[in-house]
Amino acid sequence: DPKIIQKPKYLVAVTGSEKILICEQYLGHNAMYWYRQSAKKPLEFMFSYSYQKLMDNQTASSRFQPQSSKKNHLDLQITALKPDDSATYFCASRHGGENSDYTFGSGTRLLVI
Amino acid sequence: GQQVQQSPASLVLQEGENAELQCNFSTSLNSMQWFYQRPGGSLVSLFYNPSGTKHSGRLTSTTVIKERRSSLHISSSQTTDSGTYLCAWSNYNVLYFGSGTKLTVEP
Repeated sequence: DPKIIQKPKYLVAVTGSEKILICEQYLGHNAMYWYRQSAKKPLEFMFSYSYQKLMDNQTASSRFQPQSSKKNHLDLQITALKPDDSATYFCASRHGGENSDYTFGSGTRLLVI
Repeated sequence: GQQVQQSPASLVLQEGENAELQCNFSTSLNSMQWFYQRPGGSLVSLFYNPSGTKHSGRLTSTTVIKERRSSLHISSSQTTDSGTYLCAWSNYNVLYFGSGTKLTVEP
């Protein structure tokens, strides 16, 4: 069974629309993250949360807003979508506050047309 | 900013050959992790290896953190090893990824 569930796996959106990417982890981790992988670029860090609080944000645009309704959820709301937002978005988690390994979800592949 | 360099960028092997993948980081960080990215895109953790040598089946990871380098050795490669191998360094709260080594193992 997947330990980090990301939904949907694939998403096609129209420019200017808004979408929410879902992430749930069942590992008992207190730290959750979002990463993005655009075509031909390395995975890049977007956000980190610990105990449902924002710890670090390296996303320049306010169009990207994480939402943590429960301690094992970290959704990503993206507004006013642009074609450049097309990428695979990965959710990850780990035991925060210590050196521990990261577990990644299988990603949501977003295409903005 | 931090930079993670992986080499080679791509590698083609015949089944049964060994591979050595390298990862270097430009500034000091505290730990690192190797991932395998399947052709479909999902990430599988291979090693969390902040220092020293770790083994898992045909894979061996060696990290010398003071020298800011890590290597991944694949022995007796198989066609199912084909995919992209990513290394990532951590500063406690952020993973910085390299561009990956794309491995193709031919039968």
